[in-house]
Amino acid sequence: EIVLTQSPGTLSLSPGERATLSCRASQSVSSSDLAWYQQKPGQAPRLLIYDASNRATDIPDRFSGSGSGTDFTLTISRLEPEDFAVYYCQQYGSSPPAFGPGTKVDIK
Amino acid sequence: QVQLQESGPGLVKPSETLSLTCSVSGYSITSGHYWGWIRQPPGKGLEWIGSVYRSGNTYSNPSLKSRVTISVDTSKNQFSLKLSSVTAADTAVFYCARGRGAAAGPFDFWGQGTLVTVSS
Repeated sequence: EIVLTQSPGTLSLSPGERATLSCRASQSVSSSDLAWYQQKPGQAPRLLIYDASNRATDIPDRFSGSGSGTDFTLTISRLEPEDFAVYYCQQYGSSPPAFGPGTKVDIK
Repeated sequence: QVQLQESGPGLVKPSETLSLTCSVSGYSITSGHYWGWIRQPPGKGLEWIGSVYRSGNTYSNPSLKSRVTISVDTSKNQFSLKLSSVTAADTAVFYCARGRGAAAGPFDFWGQGTLVTVSS
């Protein structure tokens, strides 16, 4: 069973700054089967990135994903006010699929 | 636009069975995709419970497998979750979602979620 860890736990930044979020897997993730989600309080998660680097429908290009194997990164190039939220990674290459514990991006 | 909506009791007694239904609109379950259940205890992270395909084939998290039953009703365009022998640890927001490519995800459309509290 693959376990995901995310760092940092909290990232305090200002609007306009660049955010770099890390997701590390305990074993290699098959075929880069890794996704990133954004969740705001009281809302369901929203798919941002799938297959490690593909943006989901209607996701702005300031969001980008990279990585392979055990190390993956979500980058938000310039934070907009609506980007302050919790971000989860998820691996779906092996069963059971697993989510990371999340990184909270809050306003500095 | 694909829309999902969870429904079911918000309060379940310990040792009883939690039952939820997800109604899908804007997309026919018979067209494909996997349909999943994910839960989130208050203030905590996400846990995949299991997924079902239009054929009725199901896949469940081993940590819950013995307590989980997932089924699909294509005539109603719905799928359902039953979780037996619940305890307070099962209190969570339960989401239904569409698997974009496989039973394990990624999940591209989600319901709004429904809070289920386990308490006597």
